[in-house]
Amino acid sequence: GAGVSQTPSNKVTEKGKYVELRCDPISGHTALYWYRQSLGQGPEFLIYFQGTGAADDSGLPNDRFFAVRPEGSVSTLKIQRTERGDSAVYLCASSPGQGRGGTGELFFGEGSRLTVL
Amino acid sequence: GQSLEQPSEVTAVEGAIVQINCTYQTSGFYGLSWYQQHDGGAPTFLSYNALDGLEETGRFSSFLSRSDSYGYLLLQELQMKDSASYFCAVRDRNGAGGSQGNLIFGKGTKLSVKP
Repeated sequence: GAGVSQTPSNKVTEKGKYVELRCDPISGHTALYWYRQSLGQGPEFLIYFQGTGAADDSGLPNDRFFAVRPEGSVSTLKIQRTERGDSAVYLCASSPGQGRGGTGELFFGEGSRLTVL
Repeated sequence: GQSLEQPSEVTAVEGAIVQINCTYQTSGFYGLSWYQQHDGGAPTFLSYNALDGLEETGRFSSFLSRSDSYGYLLLQELQMKDSASYFCAVRDRNGAGGSQGNLIFGKGTKLSVKP
């Protein structure tokens, strides 16, 4: 079956513009995560959805960042008034969300590389 | 705060054994995972330890000591294709309603395997 799909794979934008990054998780996965990864660093947690609701958004850096998952499947990460410091690879991951007994394995997409000029 | 410490780089030769250590400080602990990421690729899951001891999966093994807040990934019979970054990650809480919560990653260890 298909893995986690992220679009666009590359996005170049100008400072101050608005961007949307889309994530299509593995079918049936109830948990969805957004991470941000800069060169040479580990994935930095942004937000986690369980179903349609954001179970933990403590990683969102400021109010310019927002994410939705209206039907519990596809999610969109929205960044307003982009800044050069927002340049990074934005990774999406999904998981069956099977509860405390599982490994909690995350299945990652290839990421969306955002460059803010 | 939360932190995970692992060496930034390790170099080894083909056929050798290498151990990548990870120490963590988190407000809660619900398991230690390891992920592999090749340059330009997506992180992929390698292993998970919830309880103390060694978990073996082929050439890779992972160890956990909860009392020491420490774990390691052991890679045996190294191959060139093992050159990648390796991340330890901790689940520091259980989410609401039995869900699994989020996953906090370390900064990664870049492994270079030489011929």
